[in-house]
Amino acid sequence: QKEVEQDPGPLSVPEGAIVSLNCTYSNSAFQYFMWYRQYSRKGPELLMYTYSSGNKEDGRFTAQVDKSSKYISLFIRDSQPSDSATYLCATSSRTGANNLFFGTGTRLTVIP
Amino acid sequence: DTAVSQTPKYLVTQMGNDKSIKCEQNLGHDTMYWYKQDSKKFLKIMFSYNNKELIINETVPNRFSPKSPDKAHLNLHINSLELGDSAVYFCASSQEGASLETQYFGPGTRLLVL
Repeated sequence: QKEVEQDPGPLSVPEGAIVSLNCTYSNSAFQYFMWYRQYSRKGPELLMYTYSSGNKEDGRFTAQVDKSSKYISLFIRDSQPSDSATYLCATSSRTGANNLFFGTGTRLTVIP
Repeated sequence: DTAVSQTPKYLVTQMGNDKSIKCEQNLGHDTMYWYKQDSKKFLKIMFSYNNKELIINETVPNRFSPKSPDKAHLNLHINSLELGDSAVYFCASSQEGASLETQYFGPGTRLLVL
Protein backbone atom coordinates (compact mmCIF):
# COMPACT_ATOMS: atom_id res chain seq x y z
CA GLN A 1 0.00 0.00 0.00
CA LYS A 2 1.32 3.44 -0.92
CA GLU A 3 1.72 5.91 1.90
CA VAL A 4 -0.57 8.41 0.14
CA GLU A 5 -3.35 7.57 -2.29
CA GLN A 6 -4.85 10.13 -4.65
CA ASP A 7 -7.30 9.79 -7.51
CA PRO A 8 -5.35 10.82 -10.64
CA GLY A 9 -8.46 12.11 -12.44
CA PRO A 10 -8.55 13.83 -14.84
CA LEU A 11 -11.20 16.16 -13.46
CA SER A 12 -12.96 18.75 -15.64
CA VAL A 13 -15.25 21.41 -14.20
CA PRO A 14 -16.89 24.57 -15.56
CA GLU A 15 -15.57 27.93 -14.50
CA GLY A 16 -17.04 29.03 -11.18
CA ALA A 17 -17.59 25.50 -9.87
CA ILE A 18 -16.45 24.31 -6.45
CA VAL A 19 -13.69 21.74 -6.78
CA SER A 20 -12.97 19.04 -4.20
CA LEU A 21 -9.66 17.19 -4.34
CA ASN A 22 -8.94 14.37 -1.92
CA CYS A 23 -6.21 12.09 -0.61
CA THR A 24 -6.02 9.32 1.93
CA TYR A 25 -2.92 8.28 3.83
CA SER A 26 -1.95 5.19 5.76
CA ASN A 27 0.48 6.28 8.47
CA SER A 28 -1.11 7.80 11.57
CA ALA A 29 2.26 9.38 12.42
CA PHE A 30 1.86 11.90 9.60
CA GLN A 31 1.34 15.35 11.05
CA TYR A 32 2.25 17.77 8.28
CA PHE A 33 0.03 18.06 5.24
CA MET A 34 0.64 20.00 2.09
CA TRP A 35 -0.95 20.67 -1.25
CA TYR A 36 1.24 21.48 -4.24
CA ARG A 37 0.12 22.84 -7.58
CA GLN A 38 2.04 21.86 -10.69
CA TYR A 39 1.43 23.61 -13.98
CA SER A 40 2.33 21.80 -17.17
CA ARG A 41 6.10 21.59 -17.67
CA LYS A 42 6.81 23.33 -14.36
CA GLY A 43 7.96 22.23 -10.92
CA PRO A 44 5.50 21.76 -8.05
CA GLU A 45 4.83 24.90 -5.99
CA LEU A 46 3.51 24.93 -2.45
CA LEU A 47 -0.13 25.98 -2.27
CA MET A 48 -1.28 25.15 1.24
CA TYR A 49 0.39 23.84 4.39
CA THR A 50 -1.34 22.55 7.51
CA TYR A 51 -0.27 20.92 10.71
CA SER A 52 -2.42 18.23 12.33
CA SER A 53 -6.21 18.24 11.97
CA GLY A 54 -8.47 21.11 11.07
CA ASN A 55 -9.15 23.60 8.31
CA LYS A 56 -7.02 26.30 6.78
CA GLU A 57 -8.31 28.90 4.38
CA ASP A 58 -6.38 31.07 1.94
CA GLY A 59 -8.47 33.07 -0.47
CA ARG A 60 -10.44 30.67 -2.66
CA PHE A 61 -8.56 27.66 -1.30
CA THR A 62 -9.41 25.63 1.81
CA ALA A 63 -7.34 22.72 3.06
CA GLN A 64 -8.95 20.24 5.41
CA VAL A 65 -7.37 17.42 7.39
CA ASP A 66 -9.27 14.70 9.23
CA LYS A 67 -6.72 12.63 11.08
CA SER A 68 -9.32 10.26 12.49
CA SER A 69 -10.15 9.03 9.00
CA LYS A 70 -6.71 9.84 7.51
CA TYR A 71 -8.33 12.03 4.89
CA ILE A 72 -6.97 15.21 3.29
CA SER A 73 -9.02 17.56 1.16
CA LEU A 74 -8.48 20.70 -0.89
CA PHE A 75 -11.47 22.81 -1.87
CA ILE A 76 -11.31 25.46 -4.57
CA ARG A 77 -14.19 27.95 -4.67
CA ASP A 78 -15.15 29.94 -7.76
CA SER A 79 -12.68 27.95 -9.85
CA GLN A 80 -10.88 29.79 -12.65
CA PRO A 81 -9.25 28.57 -15.87
CA SER A 82 -5.92 29.58 -14.30
CA ASP A 83 -6.50 26.89 -11.66
CA SER A 84 -6.04 24.24 -14.36
CA ALA A 85 -3.04 22.24 -13.18
CA THR A 86 -2.09 19.01 -11.42
CA TYR A 87 -2.62 19.12 -7.66
CA LEU A 88 -0.44 16.91 -5.48
CA CYS A 89 -1.05 16.21 -1.82
CA ALA A 90 1.93 15.45 0.39
CA THR A 91 2.46 14.42 4.00
CA SER A 92 5.34 14.14 6.41
CA SER A 93 5.73 12.66 9.86
CA ARG A 94 8.43 14.86 11.27
CA THR A 95 9.85 18.33 11.23
CA GLY A 96 12.22 19.28 8.48
CA ALA A 97 10.06 17.59 5.86
CA ASN A 98 13.02 15.37 5.11
CA ASN A 99 10.67 12.75 3.84
CA LEU A 100 7.67 14.00 2.00
CA PHE A 101 5.30 11.37 0.69
CA PHE A 102 3.42 12.52 -2.38
CA GLY A 103 0.19 11.43 -3.91
CA THR A 104 0.16 10.79 -7.65
CA GLY A 105 -1.57 14.10 -8.34
CA THR A 106 -5.01 14.96 -9.71
CA ARG A 107 -5.13 16.73 -13.05
CA LEU A 108 -7.74 19.49 -13.02
CA THR A 109 -9.10 21.40 -16.00
CA VAL A 110 -11.39 24.39 -15.48
CA ILE A 111 -13.35 25.08 -18.64
CA PRO A 112 -14.18 28.75 -19.41
CA ASP B 1 15.16 35.96 -9.23
CA THR B 2 14.99 32.17 -9.38
CA ALA B 3 15.01 30.37 -6.03
CA VAL B 4 15.89 26.87 -7.25
CA SER B 5 17.35 26.50 -10.71
CA GLN B 6 18.31 23.44 -12.73
CA THR B 7 20.35 22.95 -15.89
CA PRO B 8 19.77 21.73 -18.47
CA LYS B 9 15.99 21.96 -18.90
CA TYR B 10 16.02 19.25 -21.54
CA LEU B 11 18.48 16.41 -22.01
CA VAL B 12 18.32 13.89 -24.83
CA THR B 13 21.00 11.23 -24.85
CA GLN B 14 21.84 7.70 -25.91
CA MET B 15 21.63 4.63 -23.75
CA GLY B 16 24.91 3.88 -21.98
CA ASN B 17 26.06 7.49 -21.75
CA ASP B 18 26.98 9.30 -18.54
CA LYS B 19 25.30 12.63 -17.83
CA SER B 20 24.98 15.23 -15.09
CA ILE B 21 22.20 17.58 -14.05
CA LYS B 22 23.04 20.66 -12.01
CA CYS B 23 20.99 22.30 -9.30
CA GLU B 24 21.49 25.57 -7.46
CA GLN B 25 19.42 27.26 -4.77
CA ASN B 26 19.77 30.86 -3.57
CA LEU B 27 17.41 30.52 -0.61
CA GLY B 28 20.12 29.82 1.92
CA HIS B 29 18.59 26.42 2.66
CA ASP B 30 20.69 23.70 4.24
CA THR B 31 19.04 20.64 2.72
CA MET B 32 18.63 19.69 -0.92
CA TYR B 33 16.83 16.85 -2.68
CA TRP B 34 16.45 15.06 -5.96
CA TYR B 35 13.14 13.64 -7.11
CA LYS B 36 12.12 11.60 -10.12
CA GLN B 37 8.70 12.13 -11.68
CA ASP B 38 7.58 9.42 -14.04
CA SER B 39 5.13 9.62 -16.92
CA LYS B 40 2.22 9.11 -14.54
CA LYS B 41 3.27 12.19 -12.55
CA PHE B 42 4.29 10.17 -9.50
CA LEU B 43 6.98 12.03 -7.56
CA LYS B 44 9.48 9.83 -5.82
CA ILE B 45 12.36 11.03 -3.68
CA MET B 46 15.80 9.81 -4.70
CA PHE B 47 18.15 11.59 -2.31
CA SER B 48 18.17 14.13 0.46
CA TYR B 49 21.41 15.79 1.50
CA ASN B 50 22.59 18.33 4.01
CA ASN B 51 25.93 19.12 5.61
CA LYS B 52 25.66 16.17 7.88
CA GLU B 53 23.98 13.39 6.08
CA LEU B 54 23.15 11.84 2.75
CA ILE B 55 19.98 9.82 2.76
CA ILE B 56 19.49 7.57 -0.19
CA ASN B 57 16.25 5.95 -1.19
CA GLU B 58 17.16 2.28 -1.24
CA THR B 59 15.37 1.73 -4.53
CA VAL B 60 17.66 4.11 -6.42
CA PRO B 61 20.28 2.28 -8.52
CA ASN B 62 23.89 3.06 -7.65
CA ARG B 63 24.31 4.45 -11.17
CA PHE B 64 22.83 7.60 -9.67
CA SER B 65 25.04 9.67 -7.39
CA PRO B 66 24.55 13.13 -5.89
CA LYS B 67 27.51 15.46 -5.55
CA SER B 68 27.47 18.66 -3.50
CA PRO B 69 30.37 21.06 -4.08
CA ASP B 70 28.85 23.47 -1.54
CA LYS B 71 25.68 24.13 0.42
CA ALA B 72 23.96 25.88 -2.48
CA HIS B 73 24.52 23.15 -5.07
CA LEU B 74 23.54 19.52 -5.44
CA ASN B 75 24.32 17.91 -8.78
CA LEU B 76 23.05 14.56 -9.98
CA HIS B 77 25.36 12.25 -11.90
CA ILE B 78 23.96 9.33 -13.81
CA ASN B 79 26.20 6.60 -15.23
CA SER B 80 25.32 4.09 -17.95
CA LEU B 81 21.94 5.61 -18.73
CA GLU B 82 19.06 3.21 -19.38
CA LEU B 83 15.76 3.67 -21.21
CA GLY B 84 13.88 3.51 -17.90
CA ASP B 85 15.76 6.55 -16.64
CA SER B 86 13.66 8.73 -18.95
CA ALA B 87 11.65 11.01 -16.67
CA VAL B 88 11.54 14.52 -15.27
CA TYR B 89 14.04 15.10 -12.49
CA PHE B 90 13.31 17.79 -9.91
CA CYS B 91 15.69 19.38 -7.48
CA ALA B 92 14.28 20.86 -4.27
CA SER B 93 15.54 22.54 -1.13
CA SER B 94 14.32 23.18 2.40
CA GLN B 95 15.51 24.63 5.67
CA GLU B 96 15.54 22.51 8.79
CA GLY B 97 13.82 24.21 11.68
CA ALA B 98 12.10 26.91 9.63
CA SER B 99 8.55 27.83 10.55
CA LEU B 100 7.32 26.61 7.19
CA GLU B 101 9.15 23.38 6.79
CA THR B 102 8.61 22.29 3.30
CA GLN B 103 10.41 22.04 0.04
CA TYR B 104 10.80 24.46 -2.84
CA PHE B 105 11.14 22.86 -6.23
CA GLY B 106 13.13 23.73 -9.31
CA PRO B 107 11.57 23.76 -12.79
CA GLY B 108 12.68 20.23 -13.63
CA THR B 109 15.01 18.59 -16.16
CA ARG B 110 13.35 16.46 -18.81
CA LEU B 111 15.59 13.50 -19.57
CA LEU B 112 14.97 11.32 -22.60
CA VAL B 113 17.17 8.28 -23.11
CA LEU B 114 17.10 6.84 -26.62
